[in-house]
Amino acid sequence: EVQLVESGGGLVQPGTSLKLSCAASGFDFSRFAMSWVRQAPGKGLDWVSTISGSGGNTFYADSVKGRFTVSRDNSQTTLSLQMNSLRVEDTAVYFCAGHPPGVAAAGTFMYWGQGTLVAVSS
Amino acid sequence: IQLTQSPSFLSASVGDRVTITCRASQGINNYLAWYQQKPGKAPRLLIYAASTLQNGVPSRFSGSGSGIEFTLTISSLQPDDFATYYCQHLYNYPPYIFGQGTKLDIK
Repeated sequence: EVQLVESGGGLVQPGTSLKLSCAASGFDFSRFAMSWVRQAPGKGLDWVSTISGSGGNTFYADSVKGRFTVSRDNSQTTLSLQMNSLRVEDTAVYFCAGHPPGVAAAGTFMYWGQGTLVAVSS
Repeated sequence: IQLTQSPSFLSASVGDRVTITCRASQGINNYLAWYQQKPGKAPRLLIYAASTLQNGVPSRFSGSGSGIEFTLTISSLQPDDFATYYCQHLYNYPPYIFGQGTKLDIK
């Protein structure tokens, strides 16, 4: 059974840092590009960052570029998101999600975690 | 490329046939996916390549379209189908772009 379990969310003040983790199991983790997608309260889905299966390529939304860093440890099958200089507008549930390898469903978010809430407030 | 869903809100009854539309700001061939999200839960992939059902998705869901206009149809609404639906284009990424969502609730 595929499982993605996020952790590390919480209530923080603007300007501070937080690190999210996502523990993966049940699939060949190193073959899957992985992403973080967030959802502000009552709002839609907002892509944050993606990392390739090897970890050699990373991508960021303009809104988080320079502040967030995605990384992965394929030996531990974990995905991380280091979030610095947090802003009130970063408040959201953060989901980790996996992209299937291969062409057929390329680019889709096939596997999802349950999400972890990050609240940025003074 | 931007995606616009319509309607944003939809009320329907069990057994109804419903259609949600997703329009792209430029042609994206058939590079489109649909997701279902229930309150407090993660999204679930329903359809990719505009019309291919993900494993385990009931056959009452179907997708169609190509180019700039796409539809998600539920042939006979079931109580489990009341949720918010999002489209996502797969044409060129990143960034990964979603539509704004369509909330389907019970009439």
